[in-house]
Amino acid sequence: SYGLTQPLSVSVALGQTARITCGGNSIGSKKVHWYQQKPGQAPVLVIYRDTNRPSGIPERFSGSNSGNTATLTISRAQAGDEADYYCQVWDSGTALFGGGTTLTVV
Amino acid sequence: QVQLVESGGGVVQPGRSLRLSCAASGFTFSNYGMNWVRLAPGKGLEWVTVISYDGHKKYYADSVKGRFNVSRDNSKNTLYLQMNSLRAEDTAVYYCAKDPNSGTYQGNWFESWGQGTLVTVSS
Repeated sequence: SYGLTQPLSVSVALGQTARITCGGNSIGSKKVHWYQQKPGQAPVLVIYRDTNRPSGIPERFSGSNSGNTATLTISRAQAGDEADYYCQVWDSGTALFGGGTTLTVV
Repeated sequence: QVQLVESGGGVVQPGRSLRLSCAASGFTFSNYGMNWVRLAPGKGLEWVTVISYDGHKKYYADSVKGRFNVSRDNSKNTLYLQMNSLRAEDTAVYYCAKDPNSGTYQGNWFESWGQGTLVTVSS
């Protein structure tokens, strides 16, 4: 079965750029979506179809997808960006999430 | 605006059943596929099931197949999740989530989410 691999944690200095990866076999051939989830809150969509930002999501959030890795990039990281981030794809009629990455802003 | 409100969670013993509901408003419910996604304590998000806009197509994660059943009542704008033979590992916050496109139910992102309802399976 298809699997998505994310790092457990990523740390970024305030104001710097964070990159969160999502690995999967030929993931570049799939459409990848990204969600942000803060403790006690529902997930929020931050990127859809690899590179698209929903309305209300800052331009600091961007995405890319090629080969075996999709990447969520958060520029000029802020304290409010601290959260868990999940990638998501569909495979064989079912949806799959990556294991999630905890972003810490130091 | 889109609003999704889950209910029906609680504490239930292993092996018992529970039915969750998701009341939808702010959009034409009968046009959109709907999903259930859960978040277990200390774990990541897990997709549970999807149902097509007309209720005719349903897909499940292997972890719940044969035990859970998703349904919808488009006249009541409500999505349901019937959970049977519950196990400790089903303990989680359950979210309903809306497909972004009218007439589709697979391949897309989860555009809107409810706030979730907590299910605890414990003796």
